[in-house]
Amino acid sequence: SQQGEEDPQALSIQEGENATMNCSYKTSINNLQWYRQNSGRGLVHLILIRSNEREKHSGRLRVTLDTSKKSSSLLITASRAADTASYFCATEETSGSRLTFGEGTQLTVNP
Amino acid sequence: NAGVTQTPKFRVLKTGQSMTLLCAQDMNHEYMYWYRQDPGMGLRLIHYSVGEGTTAKGEVPDGYNVSRLKKQNFLLGLESAAPSQTSVYFCASTIPPGDMNTEAFFGQGTRLTVV
Repeated sequence: SQQGEEDPQALSIQEGENATMNCSYKTSINNLQWYRQNSGRGLVHLILIRSNEREKHSGRLRVTLDTSKKSSSLLITASRAADTASYFCATEETSGSRLTFGEGTQLTVNP
Repeated sequence: NAGVTQTPKFRVLKTGQSMTLLCAQDMNHEYMYWYRQDPGMGLRLIHYSVGEGTTAKGEVPDGYNVSRLKKQNFLLGLESAAPSQTSVYFCASTIPPGDMNTEAFFGQGTRLTVV
């Protein structure tokens, strides 16, 4: 089964609004990462948050991590049509070398 | 810098045929991964390698074999293709866990159809 589970599966918003996506996981992790995938393309790394960090920012992205709840959220502020893509969380587990992905959130930003 | 390169980009196989997908990275990464992605789903780990000469099974290894004879290359083989293996295959590479920045770099994918 997938280590990470994203919520919601799909999200449709208007340009300028904020988009929030959530990820839950099951095991102990070294870090949690968020990736973006444009249709038909490979994944591109967005941001990494370590297990001892609670919040991290990068441009219009804000990531939080709650290890007690085994959950993370990705906030995209002031969204743009170009942000339309699938967003995946991935966890690097402490128990092994694997990078395990969730099923993703499909974000649509309407102009 | 090419990053991670996958070949081929597209392939159509008949059931029972074999093929090898090649992944090459030029970043001197120790770790390499093969994932498959089915429509509307996330990535499922097939096999991975933590260094030259080593391989390990992921979540969905059945029907696939891998080899890592050279550090920069990770090959994924299908000995007898089945329609259930129709998917998009992604290769990725990273530095070892525990280092500062273990972000994964992905290839552009191989779209495989088995008829």
